[in-house]
Amino acid sequence: QVQLEESGGGVVQPGRSLRLSCAASGFTFSSFGMHWVRQAPGKGLEWVAVIWFDGSLKYYADSVRGRFTISRDNSKKMLYLQMNSLRAEDTAVYFCAKGARYSLDVWGQGTMVTVSS
Amino acid sequence: DIQMTQSPSTLSASVGDRVTITCRASQNIGSWLAWYQQKPGKAPRLLIYKASSLQSGVPSRFSGSGSGTEFTLTISSLQPDDFATYYCQQYNSYTFGQGTKLE
Repeated sequence: QVQLEESGGGVVQPGRSLRLSCAASGFTFSSFGMHWVRQAPGKGLEWVAVIWFDGSLKYYADSVRGRFTISRDNSKKMLYLQMNSLRAEDTAVYFCAKGARYSLDVWGQGTMVTVSS
Repeated sequence: DIQMTQSPSTLSASVGDRVTITCRASQNIGSWLAWYQQKPGKAPRLLIYKASSLQSGVPSRFSGSGSGTEFTLTISSLQPDDFATYYCQQYNSYTFGQGTKLE
């Protein structure tokens, strides 16, 4: 079945870096745009970044632009989010999601990132 | 950036009620709007895409309508499993509404 599984979350100090991964299965990964969405504790959903199916285009939320980098490896069916210069306000559950039909139709279960000294 | 405003923020309802949630965009987004349901500790679930198309496997009591800047999600007869938080998302620059908690 179609599945996404995030990994790489954890506790990190402010100013440090972390890389999240998302493993895809059950669909033709190289045909779809992929997104990262986050949710701070007790808050709503915040879109973070998107990468086109072939990696040719990438867009970011203002809150992360210049600090986060989205990438993908279609041969491995993997999506990544490199997070640098982390701040306390980046603390959240990070979800990867598959883009289709002008929506996010498949979501992973999320991975928690806590930025704290 | 396009801002999405949902109303109400909280909605109290009972099983069997017909409920409507509204989402307004700060500029014209055509039909590029999706609705999601999220339960505590779980990932969001897609309900409606392109403003009014029902995602496969979603019960027909859910429906979406609207275009341009104003959109609605309607649940025709509320079921116990429907108590959750609902989000709209525009697919132009991908921003979400702030959510509506249905309790």
